[in-house]
Amino acid sequence: GENVEQHPSTLSVQEGDSAVIKCTYSDSASNYFPWYKQELGKGPQLIIDIRSNVGEKKDQRIAVTLNKTAKHFSLHITETQPEDSAVYFCAATPQNYQLIWGAGTKLIIKP
Amino acid sequence: DSGVTQTPKHLITATGQRVTLRCSPRSGDLSVYWYQQSLDQGLQFLIQYYNGEERAKGNILERFSAQQFPDLHSELNLSSLELGDSALYFCASSALAGGRNEQFFGPGTRLTVL
Repeated sequence: GENVEQHPSTLSVQEGDSAVIKCTYSDSASNYFPWYKQELGKGPQLIIDIRSNVGEKKDQRIAVTLNKTAKHFSLHITETQPEDSAVYFCAATPQNYQLIWGAGTKLIIKP
Repeated sequence: DSGVTQTPKHLITATGQRVTLRCSPRSGDLSVYWYQQSLDQGLQFLIQYYNGEERAKGNILERFSAQQFPDLHSELNLSSLELGDSALYFCASSALAGGRNEQFFGPGTRLTVL
C-alpha cells in the first residue's frame, strides 16, 4: 500500500525567508496530493492541493510542486510570516481511495 | 469555523471506563472520518463512514467502535480505556466518499485518561 514520508519533522526559519517541506510517496498510482495546516489548538485545514496531471500550483505565497518520476512533492512558503507557524501535513491518495498522511512538520517562524 | 462540531471539547475519565465522542458533519456532507492525534504525533486515521455505512477502516483498536446515524451525525465509542488512549480525537467530514475531496475538521475532543 501507499506510504508517505515527510521531512523535516521540525523546520525553523527567519521571518521573511522561505520554507520548504518535502514528502515522498511509494505508490505510483497516487494522483491527489493535499497539504493541510494545523494551527495550535485547532483541527487541520486544507491550504493547497495538486493533482497528478499538474506539475506546480500556486496560491499567493504558497506553492506546491510535484515530481511524478521521483515520486515526491513539496510545499513552498515564501516571505514567511508569524502566522505561518503551525504543523503542516502532506497526504497522498491512490485512485480516490483513502488519504495516506505524512507525519507532519512543525514550522517555526523566528521574529 | 469549518462547520463541523464535536462534543464534548474536553473529557477526563479513569482507566477502564467507557466514553462516547460525538460529531456533527457540515451540512450536506455524507462522509465522516475519525482521527486520533497523540501529543506531538501525526494524525492516525481510525475509521470512515459514508451515508451510514462503514467505508474504510484504519488503525482502530477493537476496544473502539463508531457508527453514523440516519441524520449523519457520528459517534466514536471508546471502551476499557487505558492511559495510552489519552489524545485529541478529531472528526472530519467531506461531501464525497473518496480521498480526492477536501476534509473539513472539527475542533477536536481532548480525552484525558487518568
